[in-house]
Amino acid sequence: TQLLEQSPQFLSIQEGENLTVYCNSSSVFSSLQWYRQEPGEGPVLLVTVVTGGEVKKLKRLTFQFGDARKDSSLHITAAQPGDTGLYLCAGLPDYNFNKFYFGSGTKLNVKP
Amino acid sequence: NAGVTQTPKFQVLKTGQSMTLQCAQDMNHEYMSWYRQDPGMGLRLIHYSVGAGITDQGEVPNGYNVSRSTTEDFPLRLLSAAPSQTSVYFCASSPDNNYGYTFGSGTRLTVV
Repeated sequence: TQLLEQSPQFLSIQEGENLTVYCNSSSVFSSLQWYRQEPGEGPVLLVTVVTGGEVKKLKRLTFQFGDARKDSSLHITAAQPGDTGLYLCAGLPDYNFNKFYFGSGTKLNVKP
Repeated sequence: NAGVTQTPKFQVLKTGQSMTLQCAQDMNHEYMSWYRQDPGMGLRLIHYSVGAGITDQGEVPNGYNVSRSTTEDFPLRLLSAAPSQTSVYFCASSPDNNYGYTFGSGTRLTVV
């Protein structure tokens, strides 16, 4: 089992719809990050959240870090085909500040 | 500014062969890591380094060696390639784990 569990694993929606991706763990994290990866490329950092309850917005993307720092969510408003990609959460568990773990990813397809 | 450079981009090995995947960064980052990405598994940490001369094991270290003689370079050695090591390998670097990682474009390795 992975330290970070993401859901759903796959998501296929129409342009203009809203969606939420979840990242959960039984461990406490000192920080969580979200990345987006396109085919044939490495992941690209979208955001870092470090404080429990923190909410960050990046245009149509809203990121939230859970109060207990065990979970995070990514909400996309009015999805566009350009949002298509693999979304990965990643973070540092409190018990080891040097090991950076990734979730299994959510593959998003936004149809025009 | 090149960022993180990985070579080669593609490689085919025969079972039992050894090889080194190269990774270099020009951002003076202290933290560097190697991940492998398999379908449906997200990214799994192989080895990481928190500075020149310091390395440690990640989640899946067996069959791989690393060294960090300089801040810039972090090569990954496959000692005796096995089909189970067929994967896409990513190298990443960061000034600090909490600031997020910059990834290379990956090496696609096939072991036959």
